[in-house]
Amino acid sequence: KNEVEQSPQNLTAQEGEFITINCSYSVGISALHWLQQHPGGGIVSLFMLSSGKKKHGRLIATINIQEKHSSLHITASHPRDSAVYICAVRNLIQGAQKLVFGQGTRLTINP
Amino acid sequence: GAGVSQSPSNKVTEKGKDVELRCDPISGHTALYWYRQSLGQGLEFLIYFQGNSAPDKSGLPSDRFSAERTGGSVSTLTIQRTQQEDSAVYLCASSWYRGRGYEQYFGPGTRLTVT
Repeated sequence: KNEVEQSPQNLTAQEGEFITINCSYSVGISALHWLQQHPGGGIVSLFMLSSGKKKHGRLIATINIQEKHSSLHITASHPRDSAVYICAVRNLIQGAQKLVFGQGTRLTINP
Repeated sequence: GAGVSQSPSNKVTEKGKDVELRCDPISGHTALYWYRQSLGQGLEFLIYFQGNSAPDKSGLPSDRFSAERTGGSVSTLTIQRTQQEDSAVYLCASSWYRGRGYEQYFGPGTRLTVT
């Protein structure tokens, strides 16, 4: 079993829909990252969380440390949000600098 | 300011040849990371530098892989005697070690194809 599991693996939605991507992890962590990878391959860091909730524009990330679960929400989704979204955690045991990645969620937003 | 840059952007090499991949981190970032993303696979950690030293090399897949960092800045990932399974996108990231903490900024990657 992977240390970091994302769901769904693929998600297709219509423009304007509310999107939720889930991430569950099995280890103690010091922080969780949400990353966005566009079809060209470039990766952008969206959020870094250790507790609670963060919001940036139409993106919201939440984390529940007790339940070892995080969600990424996109409100009023747009075709330009189409990308792969990757959850990654910093493992407390293995060291603060090493990221362990989920397999990613491929999101497609149709106009 | 400039982001993380990597060169070359694409590299095609023959099996058995050595390759060097370069990463220029954001100026002032003390931590530098190398990752690999194989076709259809997720990202995997290779090595992490703090300054010029590498406290964690646990992700390097074999002794054909090595990396160094000089002057606390540029890093080179070297793959000797390349194999077809080395084909992947190699990504570099950098971050501050303190302050804002460990938020990582990624470069565009080097796509390596071993024929």
